[in-house]
Amino acid sequence: SQTIHQWPATLVQPVGSPLSLECTVEGTSNPNLYWYRQAAGRGLQLLFYSVGIGQISSEVPQNLSASRPQDRQFILSSKKLLLSDSGFYLCAWTRQGRETQYFGPGTRLLVL
Amino acid sequence: KQEVTQIPAALSVPEGENLVLNCSFTDSAIYNLQWFRQDPGKGLTSLLLIQSSQREQTSGRLNASLDKSSGRSTLYIAASQPGDSATYLCAVSFGGGADGLTFGKGTHLIIQP
Repeated sequence: SQTIHQWPATLVQPVGSPLSLECTVEGTSNPNLYWYRQAAGRGLQLLFYSVGIGQISSEVPQNLSASRPQDRQFILSSKKLLLSDSGFYLCAWTRQGRETQYFGPGTRLLVL
Repeated sequence: KQEVTQIPAALSVPEGENLVLNCSFTDSAIYNLQWFRQDPGKGLTSLLLIQSSQREQTSGRLNASLDKSSGRSTLYIAASQPGDSATYLCAVSFGGGADGLTFGKGTHLIIQP
């Protein structure tokens, strides 16, 4: 069976500090991978998606970036966090094609 | 810009009632539609996926319908239970199989024991 992991579960960071969130998927190969953010009072927003190693598409211009160094690893990064980066970050995967998206447990980020 | 709207934003009903959650989308050229459940502080659990060529999907006490021409989907929950309390999210794939989902803001459901 397939599982998706995210870490850390919770993170408190000062404004201006760097960020690295990691997502890994087990039990499948060549998945499509996605990063979403859920901010307080707002719906889930797609940030990045990837259809393969090194292939990243950005949906929202901001100070975040994503990388996919390995087939089942997806990383969300920032060089300098802003207060507005606070939120609940969710990673998801799907098999190639129009199928169900499966979500990880999420990382709650608080920028102070 | 494609938009997904969910009505109502919140709903509180007594246990045992049948209920309907609504979702509407602005662009009828969708690839699929998914309903998710989110418990407080948790990730999303997929409930049902409806492909654009389908009219409905059923899983246990849940039934989801899709009307592309009118841009609407409904999630029907039969014989509601306190354990059904959660936020229910509707999400649509507009751009193709690889693109991400566009979400509604959800319906916060409370089932009173």
